[in-house]
Amino acid sequence: EAEVAQSPRYKITEKSQAVAFWCDPISGHATLYWYRQILGQGPELLVQFQDESVVDDSQLPKDRFSAERLKGVDSTLKIQPAELGDSAMYLCASSLVGGAADTQYFGPGTRLTVL
Amino acid sequence: RKEVEQDPGPFNVPEGATVAFNCTYSNSASQSFFWYRQDCRKEPKLLMSVYSSGNEDGRFTAQLNRASQYISLLIRDSKLSDSATYLCVAGGTSYDKVIFGPGTSLSVIP
Repeated sequence: EAEVAQSPRYKITEKSQAVAFWCDPISGHATLYWYRQILGQGPELLVQFQDESVVDDSQLPKDRFSAERLKGVDSTLKIQPAELGDSAMYLCASSLVGGAADTQYFGPGTRLTVL
Repeated sequence: RKEVEQDPGPFNVPEGATVAFNCTYSNSASQSFFWYRQDCRKEPKLLMSVYSSGNEDGRFTAQLNRASQYISLLIRDSKLSDSATYLCVAGGTSYDKVIFGPGTSLSVIP
């Protein structure tokens, strides 16, 4: 069964450092999502790509976060500089065509701890 | 008011019990609804979509009440393996966006 791949699975960093997360969606999936999930809360959408284009980044803190999906396949999410409040699980998901009715498939996530 | 709200629980129920979760959503224009399941420290996985007519999958039944803007999930004959967090999802303000609720924690005890 095809899966969404993410790396690293765990990342510990000090505040003010830069971190980067990678996601490889299910082959053929046009839509890719990055979510942040704080313990005890639901996933919050940070950015959504349709192929290589950003369709929603309204909740992305653009002063420190950036995301790209250059060839419309895999994607990188970067935080620079990291802050204590960024400690969370970062989840990547993909769906076949996008749209609210489409099932999203999640990767295992990257658990970030900022010290 | 949050766009999708759930009772966080935890719900602690004995094996074999029936348990129901409710979820309310604020956007009356929402068209898509789902329940996802998330095991501890794992990623969310789709449990079932929620259709206007309601739907059933084995021990799980989902229902939608558009007038009151809530959806429900009923689990019959609870198993230990049902212990997880159940995330309610509703379509958001744009056609291609969904909003996740905070989740309801379920523990099924022997």
